[in-house]
Amino acid sequence: AQSVTQLDSQVPVFEEAPVELRCNYSSSVSVYLFWYVQYPNQGLQLLLKYLSGSTLVESINGFEAEFNKSQTSFHLRKPSVHISDTAEYFCAVSEDNAGNMLTFGGGTRLMVKP
Amino acid sequence: EAEVAQSPRYKITEKSQAVAFWCDPISGHATLYWYRQILGQGPELLVQFQDESVVDDSQLPKDRFSAERLKGVDSTLKIQPAELGDSAMYLCASSFGQFLSTDTQYFGPGTRLTVL
Repeated sequence: AQSVTQLDSQVPVFEEAPVELRCNYSSSVSVYLFWYVQYPNQGLQLLLKYLSGSTLVESINGFEAEFNKSQTSFHLRKPSVHISDTAEYFCAVSEDNAGNMLTFGGGTRLMVKP
Repeated sequence: EAEVAQSPRYKITEKSQAVAFWCDPISGHATLYWYRQILGQGPELLVQFQDESVVDDSQLPKDRFSAERLKGVDSTLKIQPAELGDSAMYLCASSFGQFLSTDTQYFGPGTRLTVL
């Protein structure tokens, strides 16, 4: 069975600074990887996903993540954060041929300070 | 843009009472999911439907939880009786595809349950 580890429960950062949210997964089969964002008292919104092809995937609001198979990682990065990026970020994995069952990490709270 | 609808948004109940949550997925989405998210943790899948059929309920505490999707559209999740440990956010999600691992899941706003 797959598992997902988000090493940092909280990441404080100043506005306009770069940020990296770390995600590692464990699986014995091919996987698909997702990052979701959750704003306070709201559901989850898909930020970006890796299914196949280029290992670097980007979102429309400046985030990017790189799939590293050898390190079983899918870290999320942004070169310059805004106050509005303050939210909880969840990394998730689904295994090939496992019926779209998502396993989530514990989440990382990104706190952007002015 | 189509969204997953959930109601109520907030529910406060006393221990041993019954509660029910409703979810209306995006139109045309065949797969529906119920997740439980305990404060400070990631969501955990409780049950997954493909049309009206349950395809996975291995993590659903069946002694007190039940879920149905009778006509393959909207769904209800029930807890009876509620316990203090059931306090959490209950999220509903839906996806278009037929049981594909690559399908994006779209989440509703959730129902926050507080059991006193």
